[in-house]
Amino acid sequence: EPEVTQTPSHQVTQMGQEVILRCVPISNHLYFYWYRQILGQKVEFLVSFYNNEISEKSEIFDDQFSVERPDGSNFTLKIRSTKLEDSAMYFCASRAQALNQPQHFGDGTRLSIL
Amino acid sequence: KQEVTQIPAALSVPEGENLVLNCSFTDSAIYNLQWFRQDPGKGLTSLLLIQSSQREQTSGRLNASLDKSSGRSTLYIAASQPGDSATYLCAMRDANAGKSTFGDGTTLTVKP
Repeated sequence: EPEVTQTPSHQVTQMGQEVILRCVPISNHLYFYWYRQILGQKVEFLVSFYNNEISEKSEIFDDQFSVERPDGSNFTLKIRSTKLEDSAMYFCASRAQALNQPQHFGDGTRLSIL
Repeated sequence: KQEVTQIPAALSVPEGENLVLNCSFTDSAIYNLQWFRQDPGKGLTSLLLIQSSQREQTSGRLNASLDKSSGRSTLYIAASQPGDSATYLCAMRDANAGKSTFGDGTTLTVKP
């Protein structure tokens, strides 16, 4: 069964550095999402992306965050200047065109900011 | 703003028991509801998806129900096994079919 893949599985970065988290969604999917889960807390929505633009974003997704689909297969989340509180598990998800289809999640990238 | 609550936060049962996990939500204008399993430090595995027009879905030993009028969903696990031990999350996709709002999860331990 096709799956969403995320790389790296664990990223350790110094505070203030830029980080790019990578996702390869399922190939025929058109809707893409990023969520995060701070340790011990809820999974929280960050951003959704469709037709090469952001369709919705949460209040967490401030100017430090950006998303891109650079080449038709990858979907990236960039954090420009990381803060300690950005430490979390970041999940990518994708969904097919039909509205009644489920979101499929990757295994996540654990981001640790030192 | 959608609020999703899961009760109980943790549950420990002996192997073989049937059990029910609860999920409640405040805004009934949902598009669908998805139940996930999360093992420690791992990603989200989709278990069941119920559309807003449906009342229940079944997959093997799992049965999920949805009652929009009362703002509730339940996940029923029959004949629990130690391998069912994990955190179970419910998530509502809003009526614009966009983002999902997650509950805190119920951490299930099934003792052999």
